[in-house]
Amino acid sequence: QSALTQPPSASGSPGQSVTISCTGTSSDVGGYNYVSWYQQHPGKAPKLMIYEVSKRPSGVPDRFSGSKSGNTASLTVSGLQAEDEADYYCCSYAGSNNLNYVFGTGTKVTVL
Amino acid sequence: EVQLVESGGDLVQPGGSLRLSCAASGFTFSDYWMHWVRQPPGKGLMWISRLNVEGTGTYYADSVKGRFTISRDNAKNTVYLQMNSLRAEDTAVYYCTRGWSEGFDLWGQGTTVTVSS
Repeated sequence: QSALTQPPSASGSPGQSVTISCTGTSSDVGGYNYVSWYQQHPGKAPKLMIYEVSKRPSGVPDRFSGSKSGNTASLTVSGLQAEDEADYYCCSYAGSNNLNYVFGTGTKVTVL
Repeated sequence: EVQLVESGGDLVQPGGSLRLSCAASGFTFSDYWMHWVRQPPGKGLMWISRLNVEGTGTYYADSVKGRFTISRDNAKNTVYLQMNSLRAEDTAVYYCTRGWSEGFDLWGQGTTVTVSS
């Protein structure tokens, strides 16, 4: 079961923006508009930040935005804040006959 | 309060069995697909199983197919994961999650399963 590819790390100073990529295939990211993003602080459960590529759940700041082009999805965090320092995982639906859901490898975001 | 609370994690020997439970509260449990996602120590997230609202449709990752069984009791607002023939590589924190638009919008705090002799 192959994971989606994310960069291991990303960083930015407070107030800056950081973008994390998530690369899959036409069988997952490229085949469905069902990419979601999760924030995970150490020792805590993941939290949904983006669903259906670019939609934000209630309560998630609009500093978080998502997009997709072809087989690659992206999460952008604008106006970085200290509390944004966390691990971020993408996830894509991959069809009920195949992998069902596949997560990304994870990206550690550091606020400098 | 809307929440999911897992229980049942433990230390178990290779080849052993364990049943995890996840109690839901604060929402209409029977309206949602439910999933289990696991995270090995220091590693990333991995989806392992999902179950439809009626409890009649089950799906599994290849790595657990034939060994794990997901089920639910809508009267008790609880989803279960029966894990048999456990292996060292099953060692992980197991999260119960609520399905939402092919994502997961509500997570439990996780329960730890350690498979070791």
